[in-house]
Amino acid sequence: NAGVTQTPKFRVLKTGQSMTLLCAQDMNHEYMYWYRQDPGMGLRLIHYSVGEGTTAKGEVPDGYNVSRLKKQNFLLGLESAAPSQTSVYFCASIGSAYSNQPQHFGDGTRLSIL
Amino acid sequence: RKEVEQDPGPFNVPEGATVAFNCTYSNSASQSFFWYRQDCRKEPKLLMSVYSSGNEDGRFTAQLNRASQYISLLIRDSKLSDSATYLCVVNMEYGNKLVFGAGTILRVKS
Repeated sequence: NAGVTQTPKFRVLKTGQSMTLLCAQDMNHEYMYWYRQDPGMGLRLIHYSVGEGTTAKGEVPDGYNVSRLKKQNFLLGLESAAPSQTSVYFCASIGSAYSNQPQHFGDGTRLSIL
Repeated sequence: RKEVEQDPGPFNVPEGATVAFNCTYSNSASQSFFWYRQDCRKEPKLLMSVYSSGNEDGRFTAQLNRASQYISLLIRDSKLSDSATYLCVVNMEYGNKLVFGAGTILRVKS
């Protein structure tokens, strides 16, 4: 009964380092999303995917790349980390976007860039 | 103008009080609406969907006003455990994505 699993849960990076955040879901959901949450700003959509092999930009895509090679996994990459990317990152998935189904969220990844 | 706007609060209320939150959205073609709850440093969790006719779940009542483009959440008989941030969420017509408000902080005190 895992739902949405994010790894890692915490990470500290130095400016300029790269890393990949992994989101995995076991509910056979088509739609997957990456958000970042900063104090006082709510959740902002970075990138999303409407199915295996597809990705699209959200509200704040700059500095991030994503891939959806397998339906169950959605990867978020930071090629050259910057302090402005210090945030809490949430992954979410949903079976159908055009319904009253809720999004299922992972526990979040707390990322600090020094 | 933000796509989804909420009063950030915080709302500080005593136990047993009734409190109401409002949220406005910009896209008149928005299709579905939700209230999520988020506890400190945790992931958001669905509290309830919001239906056109209004809906109730125990002490919680949600209403939608499409003409004025706002939704509301009413909490009756507040409990200490209701302390959290409440997120207004709207499924816009375009982009297959949900748009989140910044959240309203509720603090229930004994």
